[in-house]
Amino acid sequence: GAVVSQHPSWVICKSGTSVKIECRSLDFQATTMFWYRQFPKQSLMLMATSNEGSKATYEQGVEKDKFLINHASLTLSTLTVTSAHPEDSSFYICSAKDRFSYEQYFGPGTRLTVT
Amino acid sequence: AQSVSQHNHHVILSEAASLELGCNYSYGGTVNLFWYVQYPGQHLQLLLKYFSGDPLVKGIKGFEAEFIKSKFSFNLRKPSVQWSDTAEYFCAVRGTGGGADGLTFGKGTHLIIQP
Repeated sequence: GAVVSQHPSWVICKSGTSVKIECRSLDFQATTMFWYRQFPKQSLMLMATSNEGSKATYEQGVEKDKFLINHASLTLSTLTVTSAHPEDSSFYICSAKDRFSYEQYFGPGTRLTVT
Repeated sequence: AQSVSQHNHHVILSEAASLELGCNYSYGGTVNLFWYVQYPGQHLQLLLKYFSGDPLVKGIKGFEAEFIKSKFSFNLRKPSVQWSDTAEYFCAVRGTGGGADGLTFGKGTHLIIQP
């Protein structure tokens, strides 16, 4: 079946530093990938939609200069949390939409802790 | 904007009991509806989805859901639960009116099945 991987699975960083999270579709091509954020015991909130070769579309309230998204190929999208602060600590989950079947598959998530 | 409401945040059942998890959505147009399951320590998996046609949808692991348009509901059911069904369950909606097609999730229901 279709697999989406995320790297790293968890990361701890200091305030003010930047962190890059990768999302890869391993056995299918994804023209569109989505980035979600999940707070403890809460639901997933869509942050942005990433389209291969074009700029990401951000949901209302999400700072595009803080959460940089790059979707340079059909199998890779990256989310960079710039100048991270403790309030950015969260679980970040990506999903990838198969370009042919349009099915969406979720990655395992990345736990970010900012100290 | 679309929203999803899941009525039960925590449900505890005994094995072989019947299950029904409520989900209501609000959206001014045609929607696609989904139920996802997240087992402890694992990523989101699709249980079932509704796009069009028969409003009674059958999914994996014996789950089914019924779309009732007049009630804006998409409740998840299983006639006899097993201990292995212990997990977090998320209802999600996606508008079909064009534009980005990221999902809007409910807050989730934590289901615990007691042996």
